[in-house]
Amino acid sequence: EAQVTQNPRYLITVTGKKLTVTCSQNMNHEYMSWYRQDPGLGLRQIYYSMNVEVTDKGDVPEGYKVSRKEKRNFPLILESPSPNQTSLYFCASSSRTGGNSPLHFGNGTRLTVT
Amino acid sequence: AQTVTQSQPEMSVQEAETVTLSCTYDTSESDYYLFWYKQPPSRQMILVIRQEAYKQQNATENRFSVNFQKAAKSFSLKISDSQLGDAAMYFCAYRTRSGSARQLTFGSGTQLTVLP
Repeated sequence: EAQVTQNPRYLITVTGKKLTVTCSQNMNHEYMSWYRQDPGLGLRQIYYSMNVEVTDKGDVPEGYKVSRKEKRNFPLILESPSPNQTSLYFCASSSRTGGNSPLHFGNGTRLTVT
Repeated sequence: AQTVTQSQPEMSVQEAETVTLSCTYDTSESDYYLFWYKQPPSRQMILVIRQEAYKQQNATENRFSVNFQKAAKSFSLKISDSQLGDAAMYFCAYRTRSGSARQLTFGSGTQLTVLP
């Protein structure tokens, strides 16, 4: 089954404790991206990757890191999480960077930073 | 930069009735794509419908249709014969066609309640 898999689904952590949210897709997509969803703000892009070893900042990259060492994986790293990073996070992928190819989303990770 | 505005934070509709969710966007581009995504309580993001700006014909998918007004930069979603399963958060989204990798720009969402 074609899918984007994110883990974990829920995560509670404390300020400053490094964490990684994993994302993997099995559709051989070139493009992958991370979004955060906050009430009243919709989804905002954090980072994106057009292909292996190619990443770039989105609209809200501060406090996050990503890597794209393999085509299928695109982990999101919070080196020193803070309470303002409490949010719902989505990983997404698509086959092209433009066009009407839809984004395929993971099921989201609810992160709480205390 | 493109912006997408959904001016209705919440909407409600009676089961079997029709509801229209509004979306406006701001862009200087002439060619682009527009999408509506549905997010039920499960949090899953589900593509409902998409529209290519160069196509004048409004897209339809079963009970879902759009009213695309390019000059007005408006992209509303009409849900006919509303069902309880349509209750969800709905997001309007914009994507450039120009090859930029900035992907989707989302609106803030409209929470739709379907009343039995």
